[in-house]
Amino acid sequence: KAGVTQTPRYLIKTRGQQVTLSCSPISGHRSVSWYQQTPGQGLQFLFEYFSETQRNKGNFPGRFSGRQFSNSRSEMNVSTLELGDSALYLCASSPVDRPNTEAFFGQGTRLTVV
Amino acid sequence: AQSVTQLGSHVSVSEGALVLLRCNYSSSVPPYLFWYVQYPNQGLQLLLKYTSAATLVKGINGFEAEFKKSETSFHLTKPSAHMSDAAEYFCAVSLSGGGADGLTFGKGTHLIIQP
Repeated sequence: KAGVTQTPRYLIKTRGQQVTLSCSPISGHRSVSWYQQTPGQGLQFLFEYFSETQRNKGNFPGRFSGRQFSNSRSEMNVSTLELGDSALYLCASSPVDRPNTEAFFGQGTRLTVV
Repeated sequence: AQSVTQLGSHVSVSEGALVLLRCNYSSSVPPYLFWYVQYPNQGLQLLLKYTSAATLVKGINGFEAEFKKSETSFHLTKPSAHMSDAAEYFCAVSLSGGGADGLTFGKGTHLIIQP
């Protein structure tokens, strides 16, 4: 079974631009979560989607948004990029129909804002 | 709200020595606890998880962790370190097993293995 796939792996954007990152979960997984990882703040939860609905959201400004499609694939968007948005963005999927399961992470998209 | 504290941002051990990475948590309800490992330029890989079935949890690569409610701790150990264990380790807590409410991570511990 293929793992969580994130595209692209690396991205360089200019301050003020917007960016869209993509995540394909493990087949059969319906929950997709996004995390931001930076050296200063560590790993922080952005949001979680299930059945195309955002169920939970972390403490991030409205410039960060996401969506999930009917096939469970998810995208996150960051508008008006700031230098501080440079980070590794990780996507995780889990099969919420089974109890006591865990989140499986992709390799991440490294975003550099210049 | 829950939180995780990992004591020691860097831990250095000799190859073959005991590995001990410390994690303390706070949670208003019995949590799910996890240890993840991250190699350079990679995502997170689950080492083990505590879901209240047993207090001593065995994971992959010879790692294990013991849940101690009285100490609110979930320390990670491995009897004999290997060079391939050098990586960043994260302790995480969640109120739901699948992390739908969002995993709360510690700051991480960088494990260095000395030859």
